[in-house]
Amino acid sequence: EIVLTQSPATLSLSPGERATLSCRASQSVSSYLAWYQQKPGQAPRLLIYDASNRATGIPARFSGSGSGTDFTLTISSLEPEDFAVYYCQQRSNRIFTFGPGTKVDIK
Amino acid sequence: EVQLVESGGGLVQPGGSLRLSCAASGFTVSSNYMSWVRQAPGKGLEWVSVIYSGGSTYYADSVKGRFTISRDNSKNTLYLQMNSLRAEDTAVYYCARGVGGGTDYWGQGTLVTVSS
Repeated sequence: EIVLTQSPATLSLSPGERATLSCRASQSVSSYLAWYQQKPGQAPRLLIYDASNRATGIPARFSGSGSGTDFTLTISSLEPEDFAVYYCQQRSNRIFTFGPGTKVDIK
Repeated sequence: EVQLVESGGGLVQPGGSLRLSCAASGFTVSSNYMSWVRQAPGKGLEWVSVIYSGGSTYYADSVKGRFTISRDNSKNTLYLQMNSLRAEDTAVYYCARGVGGGTDYWGQGTLVTVSS
């Protein structure tokens, strides 16, 4: 089973700052990596798929990069609505796993 | 408009069974891969199971042999049959539609509580 590790666990930033979230896989997942945002009481929302493709309706301030085992989600300038928990998810050999999440909270 | 509506959650005793349903509209469940994802109270997301358009099914190790994913194309509905339930299966269960490299639509979730 492929294990995903996310860092940091918590990121405390102010609106307008840049957020850089990391996701590392225990073995290569090629580009089969997605990022989700989840707010309290809500279902997750797909942000990025295949490592670097923004999902429909996702603002350009969200970007993804990486391949193999190391991936990054960048939020170029935090908006008030971006404070949430972010999960990465891999799909390899038709099986999925999620990372433990990074909470982005207001400093 | 794509919609996913889960039902069937509730309180069940350890060792019991429950079947979750996910009624889809706005698309055909057999045309996409469909997943179940769960979230224990205050915890992160855990992938549970997937069924691909061709009918292949896969499970997380934590539920293998106890849970069964299926779909009824005539009802455009996804199911999760859960047997031999344990306290650690307590969670909100989401059904979700997969397309390409991501899961783009999610239901609102249904709560399953396993307790005596």
